Amino acid sequence: EDQVTQSPEALRLQEGESSSLNCSYTVSGLRGLFWYRQDPGKGPEFLFTLYSAGEEKEKERLKATLTKKESFLHITAPKPEDSATYLCAVQAIGSRDDKIIFGKGTRLHILP
Amino acid sequence: DVKVTQSSRYLVKRTGEKVFLECVQDMDHENMFWYRQDPGLGLRLIYFSYDVKMKEKGDIPEGYSVSREKKERFSLILESASTNQTSMYLCASSLDGSPLHFGNGTRLTVT
Repeated sequence: EDQVTQSPEALRLQEGESSSLNCSYTVSGLRGLFWYRQDPGKGPEFLFTLYSAGEEKEKERLKATLTKKESFLHITAPKPEDSATYLCAVQAIGSRDDKIIFGKGTRLHILP
Repeated sequence: DVKVTQSSRYLVKRTGEKVFLECVQDMDHENMFWYRQDPGLGLRLIYFSYDVKMKEKGDIPEGYSVSREKKERFSLILESASTNQTSMYLCASSLDGSPLHFGNGTRLTVT
């Protein structure tokens, strides 16, 4: 069965303290892996799509990487405004968009 | 930029009322979706549509229906609201193979 597991569930960091969020996935063949940011009371905001192992994408202090079994979202020197829930989702080859599987997210809190 | 607009940010309804949640997207996307999001349960798919007049059940369709009369608009209907339908409702749209783009959500409280 296809599934996505994110860890940790919650993470508290001091401002400037770099860390990584993990997204482990099991899927028969990967069509795409997606990262989203969700602020409290708002909808998820798309960040990145990764398609194949070894691929990396960057945006400001965020860098997403992909292996055959997991993806990491690296946060370098985070600021309080990076506080949010980060969601990971995967889509299998041959599946339509209704089969995108979401993880339950990592709640990130950056302390000033 | 894709814009997905949900008509209400917050709604409070009484048990038994019929509730309409509206969603409009401005990017000519074929695919539209309704999810609900609850703490500890994550995102769960209620209904989706890949074309005008077309609708398919997601994982938790009970107590809900949908309408897609125009390509850009996808409505979620709670036929008779119940307290267990208190939740955050999220609309999304996409083109096949592209990421889902979400609206800002409607926080529905049923009392």
